Amino acid sequence: LAKTTQPISMDSYEGQEVNITCSHNNIATNDYITWYQQFPSQGPRFIIQGYKTKVTNEVASLFIPADRKSSTLSLPRVSLSDTAVYYCLVGDILSSNTGKLIFGQGTTLQVKP
Amino acid sequence: SQTIHQWPATLVQPVGSPLSLECTVEGTSNPNLYWYRQAAGRGLQLLFYSVGIGQISSEVPQNLSASRPQDRQFILSSKKLLLSDSGFYLCATDRSSYNSPLHFGNGTRLTVT
Repeated sequence: LAKTTQPISMDSYEGQEVNITCSHNNIATNDYITWYQQFPSQGPRFIIQGYKTKVTNEVASLFIPADRKSSTLSLPRVSLSDTAVYYCLVGDILSSNTGKLIFGQGTTLQVKP
Repeated sequence: SQTIHQWPATLVQPVGSPLSLECTVEGTSNPNLYWYRQAAGRGLQLLFYSVGIGQISSEVPQNLSASRPQDRQFILSSKKLLLSDSGFYLCATDRSSYNSPLHFGNGTRLTVT
């Protein structure tokens, strides 16, 4: 399983765009990249998933460069309610045991008014 | 869509007492099921996972056990709780298909006193 490295914490202000970068230098050919969001006293929630280039949904965008050794989660115009812990996970797309992926400490995003 | 029920939401138990946490899943059949524990300010630690009725795999040695008596029921137990068993316990599931994101329950906050 590829190890991931993300900043422990980040601060932002309401209305700003936030970019959280995750390093995964040992990513394998079959690995995909998934981001989750966790609010206090709740379980993590799936945000976005990608394999290469750019993926966008109604919540966020995920940018993955050609070498796939890193990825960036982009949250447009954050609000106070985006304050949460964000986890980057890397795992094998051929595996049906998604839950065996490793959740690290994640990035604690604090959005200020 | 999948729904995960966990109860109770909070629990305070004395050291040496037994534990039983239940998780049930709706909206899917033959899911993979997972038990995670999260200590304060830490990432998620995978405790057990199950790919079918009666099939349990343990990821770390510990004072806990798990059982899956029915397809969509997953139980976490202990005969005698330790102080170190305190934490936030999360049940999760995926659709047992490749690349399927995890869906988490709302968790149980366990405090062992």
